[in-house]
Amino acid sequence: DVKVTQSSRYLVKRTGEKVFLECVQDMDHENMFWYRQDPGLGLRLIYFSYDVKMKEKGDIPEGYSVSREKKERFSLILESASTNQTSMYLCASSTPVAGGEQYFGPGTRLTVT
Amino acid sequence: AQSVAQPEDQVNVAEGNPLTVKCTYSVSGNPYLFWYVQYPNRGLQFLLKYITGDNLVKGSYGFEAEFNKSQTSFHLKKPSALVSDSALYFCAVRDWTSGTYKYIFGTGTRLKVLA
Repeated sequence: DVKVTQSSRYLVKRTGEKVFLECVQDMDHENMFWYRQDPGLGLRLIYFSYDVKMKEKGDIPEGYSVSREKKERFSLILESASTNQTSMYLCASSTPVAGGEQYFGPGTRLTVT
Repeated sequence: AQSVAQPEDQVNVAEGNPLTVKCTYSVSGNPYLFWYVQYPNRGLQFLLKYITGDNLVKGSYGFEAEFNKSQTSFHLKKPSALVSDSALYFCAVRDWTSGTYKYIFGTGTRLKVLA
């Protein structure tokens, strides 16, 4: 079974803090994604990566950065957390096949106070 | 513009009755379509996908979906609903405009199966 793990299920941070969300997948997938999920808005893509050290902006990259130093690990960084970044963050991975489905981690519910 | 729409925020159905969760899409290029389910406090799980071939696609947990090109729809169905099917369901479509592996998700439909 494909397994995607995220470093924390719940996280509470203060405004202005630097926040790291870690994601690890064990299926040697080339593609990795970070989404945020908000009620009524579905999933919105923040960043994705199709290879080590490669990254591309998604639909809402402002306020976020990412790092992919190893194939299995994709990190999302909030440089200076703000209250409007309170959300559920989902990591996913997939093979580089056009019709390949995505495999999701359990999510990190981040609250910024 | 590439898009996917789930017109219903919530669907209620009695246990044992058939269920349908609706999805319509708008894409340029081949419509690669997916359904995912999210149980409370969990990530999304893949249910099924349409890439090509038979318009009726069968997936996990007894779910199936029908691809209808003329109506640009990909509705999720199950002949007999279970209380345990209660969850949030997302439709997604491959975004071809980016040239990379991006997907567009709908806003989700909450399914409630009543005992």
